[in-house]
Amino acid sequence: SYELTQPLSVSVALGQTARITCGGNNIGSKNVHWYQQRPGQAPVLVIYRNTNRPSGIPERFSGSNSGNTATLTISRAQAGDEADYYCQVWASGTVVFGGGTKLTVL
Amino acid sequence: EVQLVESGGGLVQPGGSLRLSCAASGFTFSSYDMNWVRQAPGKGLEWVSYISSSGYTIYYADSVKGRFTISRDNAKKSLYLQMNSLRAEDTAVYYCARESQGIDYWGQGTLVTVSS
Repeated sequence: SYELTQPLSVSVALGQTARITCGGNNIGSKNVHWYQQRPGQAPVLVIYRNTNRPSGIPERFSGSNSGNTATLTISRAQAGDEADYYCQVWASGTVVFGGGTKLTVL
Repeated sequence: EVQLVESGGGLVQPGGSLRLSCAASGFTFSSYDMNWVRQAPGKGLEWVSYISSSGYTIYYADSVKGRFTISRDNAKKSLYLQMNSLRAEDTAVYYCARESQGIDYWGQGTLVTVSS
């Protein structure tokens, strides 16, 4: 079965740039979606199909996908960005989530 | 405004059954594929099942295959998850989620606790 690998945690200083990776075999050939989940809340889609932002998501959020790694980039990190982030793909008739990354804003 | 409201969660003994429902509003339910996604306490997201807009295409995670059944009633704008032979490891918040170039809308979830 297809697996997605994310770092358990990423830290970023306030106002700096955070990068969260999502590794998978030839993930560059797939559409990757990213979700933000704050404590006690349902997930929110922040990037769809690798690079696209839904309406209402700040331009500070961007995505890329190539080779074996997809990346979510959060520019000018704010305290409100502190959350868990999950990548997701479709693979062989199943939805696959990464294990999630806890972003800490210092 | 798109809304997905789950119901039917609760405490059930191992081996028991439960049926979750999800009431959809604010969009043309019959035009969208739907998912159930769960999250065990303190854990990550785990996909459970998918159903196409027509109901003809269905997929399950291996962990629930043969025990859970997804269905929908487009006339009632509702999604369902019949859960049988429940195990302790099925304890989680279950989310109803709309599929549209990613999962673009999620309900607030309903808690299922499997315990004796």
